[in-house]
Amino acid sequence: LAKTTQPISMDSYEGQEVNITCSHNNIATNDYITWYQQFPSQGPRFIIQGYKTKVTNEVASLFIPADRKSSTLSLPRVSLSDTAVYYCLVGDRGNQGGKLIFGQGTELSVKP
Amino acid sequence: GAVVSQHPSWVICKSGTSVKIECRSLDFQATTMFWYRQFPKQSLMLMATSNEGSKATYEQGVEKDKFLINHASLTLSTLTVTSAHPEDSSFYICSAPNGGTRGIEQYFGPGTRLTVT
Repeated sequence: LAKTTQPISMDSYEGQEVNITCSHNNIATNDYITWYQQFPSQGPRFIIQGYKTKVTNEVASLFIPADRKSSTLSLPRVSLSDTAVYYCLVGDRGNQGGKLIFGQGTELSVKP
Repeated sequence: GAVVSQHPSWVICKSGTSVKIECRSLDFQATTMFWYRQFPKQSLMLMATSNEGSKATYEQGVEKDKFLINHASLTLSTLTVTSAHPEDSSFYICSAPNGGTRGIEQYFGPGTRLTVT
């Protein structure tokens, strides 16, 4: 399972776009990149997952360069409710059976 | 989407007693479930993999005799913290993988806050 590195914390203001970058230099060919969001005293919640290039859903976008050694989670127009910890995980969706190793995560603080 | 529940959501117990935490997949079956522990201001730490019909697989450094895991059915896994001590106070979270259109996704329970006094 590839190790990930993220900034420990980030600050933003309401309405801004937030980009959180994750480094995963040892990503394997079969690995996917998944981002989770966690609020205090709650279980993590799936945000987005991708393998290469760009993935977009209703809450975020995920940008993955060609070498896949990093990825960027983009949150458009954040609000106070986006204050949370964001985890970047890398792993094989299939063979690992869902085993996830969490890194330190990025604590995002959105201010009014 | 798939739902995973945990019971209880919080529990307080006295030092030396045992406490059981349940993890249920409500609308799907899970032959494998995972247990995590999270201390304040820290990340989730994988404790063990719960396997239906076989023994759990523990991560390095996790005492299997202290954290008993039983995967009783395809929708239920339990974690029993035996002879609990204050240092076992933590937030325990379970997860279960479920296949979907995007491949296998991990669904997390809401967590159980354990306080040992």
